[in-house]
Amino acid sequence: EIVLTQSPGTLSLSPGERATLSCRASQSVSSSYLAWYQQKPGQAPRLLIYGASSRATGIPDRFSGSGSGTDFTLTISRLEPEDFAVYYCQQYGSSPRVTFGQGTRLEIK
Amino acid sequence: QLQLQESGPGLVKPSETLSLTCTVSGGSISSSSYYWGWIRQPPGKGLEWIGSIYYSGSTYYNPSLKSRVTISVDTSKNQFSLKLSSVTAADTAVYYCARLRVVVPAAIDYWGQGTLVTVSS
Repeated sequence: EIVLTQSPGTLSLSPGERATLSCRASQSVSSSYLAWYQQKPGQAPRLLIYGASSRATGIPDRFSGSGSGTDFTLTISRLEPEDFAVYYCQQYGSSPRVTFGQGTRLEIK
Repeated sequence: QLQLQESGPGLVKPSETLSLTCTVSGGSISSSSYYWGWIRQPPGKGLEWIGSIYYSGSTYYNPSLKSRVTISVDTSKNQFSLKLSSVTAADTAVYYCARLRVVVPAAIDYWGQGTLVTVSS
C-alpha cells in the first residue's frame, strides 16, 4: 500500500505570499493518478489538480501542480483570502483503491 | 450538472449497522468511466477512503474496513449504498459519497455534501 506524506502539517502565510505544499509517496506513483483537493470548513473537498499538473474546471491559474515519481508539489502563486483551507493529495493504487495524504492546513499568519 | 446526495440515519447505536444511500442525479451511474465511492472524515481529522463500486457491481474496499463494509449499487434507481457493521464510536464521521473517474487522468471529481453519522447509545 502506498502511503502519502504531506508537509508541512500547517503552513502560516499572509495573503499575497507564495505557498508551496509537498506530497511525498512511499513508492513511485503515476502522475496520471495523483490529484490535489481543497477543503474548507463544513464543505466537501473540491478537486483542484488532476494528473499531477492539470487544473480542474474553474480553478484559478494561481494554483499549479508539479512533480513525478515520489515527489509532488502544489503551489499557490499569490495567496488570496479564500485560499486558506486544508489541502489533500490523493492517489489511486491498483484498481480504484484510493489513498489520501494526511493534509496540510494553510492558515493566515 | 451531476449531483450526489447522501441519505440515512444520523445516529447509530454501537454494535449496530450504519446504512447510507447516495442518490446520483444529472448523470447515469452506469457510465463506464467511473467508479462510485464512499469516503469518510472523523471530526477534525483527515479523509479516509472506505470503498468503491462499479455499476456492474465490482467492489474494492479499504483493507482496514473490509471485514465490516458492504457497498452495493442499484442502477435502476441511480443509487449506491454503504453498510458498515459493528460500529463503534471510532466510526463517527462525516460520510461522503463521490464519483471516481478511473480513466486517465483519474480523480475524484464530484462529491456529495456529506452527512454526519454519530455512533452513540
